[in-house]
Amino acid sequence: QVQLQESGPGLVKPSETLSLTCTVSGGSFSVYYWTWIRQPPGQGLEWLGDIKSSGNTNYNPSLKSRGTFSIDTSRNQFSLSLRSVTAADTAVYYCARRWSGVDFWGRGTLVTVSS
Amino acid sequence: EIVLTQSPGTLSLSPGERATLSCRASQSVYSNYFAWYQQKPGQAPRPLMYGISNRATGIPDRFSGSGSGTDFTLTISRLEPEDFAVYYCQHYGSLPFTFGQGTRLEI
Repeated sequence: QVQLQESGPGLVKPSETLSLTCTVSGGSFSVYYWTWIRQPPGQGLEWLGDIKSSGNTNYNPSLKSRGTFSIDTSRNQFSLSLRSVTAADTAVYYCARRWSGVDFWGRGTLVTVSS
Repeated sequence: EIVLTQSPGTLSLSPGERATLSCRASQSVYSNYFAWYQQKPGQAPRPLMYGISNRATGIPDRFSGSGSGTDFTLTISRLEPEDFAVYYCQHYGSLPFTFGQGTRLEI
């Protein structure tokens, strides 16, 4: 069974960089797109983008070039870096696997942007 | 960017009733790349349907998906108590992939 687990700080100061890592266990790592999705408190879902093991990336333009995805196939991990964060970036961040739609999700991690 | 608009915003029904949830896209969705998810409070979304009408692993057959082009429907034939949740549609055929704003299904 595929499992994904997000890790990273739960609190980030405004203007700093939010960094999260997702560790994947079970299943193949090389075939799929590995995805970041976020959900502000009480709101809907926003697809941030994804990355494949080849390093090919897709970004949501809403990130306005603040976001960078990276992948470490030796550790079955992929990461999100979001620069210059504001309160609007406060959300539950999910890592997930995309094949036909998003078929496996992590539990999500709440990241709060506050001084 | 394709905008997905779900209706109704909230649907109030009782167990045993039939639920029909709609999702309309601002442009035609490429190659049937369309999915539905269920989310309960404090949980990650759960995949329900992919490719418009294919049930995800473990999804009971009371859930069905239909539609094409710009209009899509999720139908729950007979509501069970555990079906009351928020439902999201998503397209994944052209970048950026987007979600609808959600339909809350309540008792």
